[in-house]
Amino acid sequence: QSVLTQPPSASGTPGQRVTISCSGSSSNIGSNTVNWYQHLPGTAPKLLIYSDNQRPSGVPDRFSGSKSGTSASLAISGLQSEDEADYYCATWDDRLNGYVVFGGGTKLTVV
Amino acid sequence: EVQLVESGGNLVQPGGSLRLSCVASGFSFSSYSMNWVRQAPGKGLEWVSYISSSRTTIFYADSVKGRFTISRDNAKNSLYLQMNSLRAEDTAVYYCARDAGVGATSWYFDLWGRGTLVTVSS
Repeated sequence: QSVLTQPPSASGTPGQRVTISCSGSSSNIGSNTVNWYQHLPGTAPKLLIYSDNQRPSGVPDRFSGSKSGTSASLAISGLQSEDEADYYCATWDDRLNGYVVFGGGTKLTVV
Repeated sequence: EVQLVESGGNLVQPGGSLRLSCVASGFSFSSYSMNWVRQAPGKGLEWVSYISSSRTTIFYADSVKGRFTISRDNAKNSLYLQMNSLRAEDTAVYYCARDAGVGATSWYFDLWGRGTLVTVSS
């Protein structure tokens, strides 16, 4: 059971906008910034969003992040087939002895 | 090319030991804190361990504390994970990941390797 809760799956059609949610608590999302990673199985995970809503160089502006209270969201607009991947939210938890906590991951399917 | 390459994964019996390595290239390895993150089959990502650039600060997840040891050799641009008393639940792909901060830990990871598979089974 992950500390951060994500829907196990999401889907959309090319060109559509999809959002992936990440729910936590006051000890993690509520008091720390959220980061998002994209992972295609068999490849290296990729940093997509950091500090709630910042995009690293090279990440298209189709990807955006937001946070409110103890929840965060990743939005992908203009969905493309290459966006089909697993997406993970992550943050620091002030309470646990584990430092970085990840969500369980959301598998995005582009149908 | 800026990259991290892990190695050392293998099939090992429960109770056994294994040492993973991660070689960095294309950047100033000694300036960055590093981490190990793992992914069990069919599961999500799990942070395992952290070591600061100067090796003065080390953290472990509770699930591996007392069994795993993280270390680094900045002269060899290498990160290591010594895994002892291995259990079936340690079966996973192990990734090394660079902390994005320089001078201060950011706790997000901007460079990852492709991983190395550790299987613990009799």
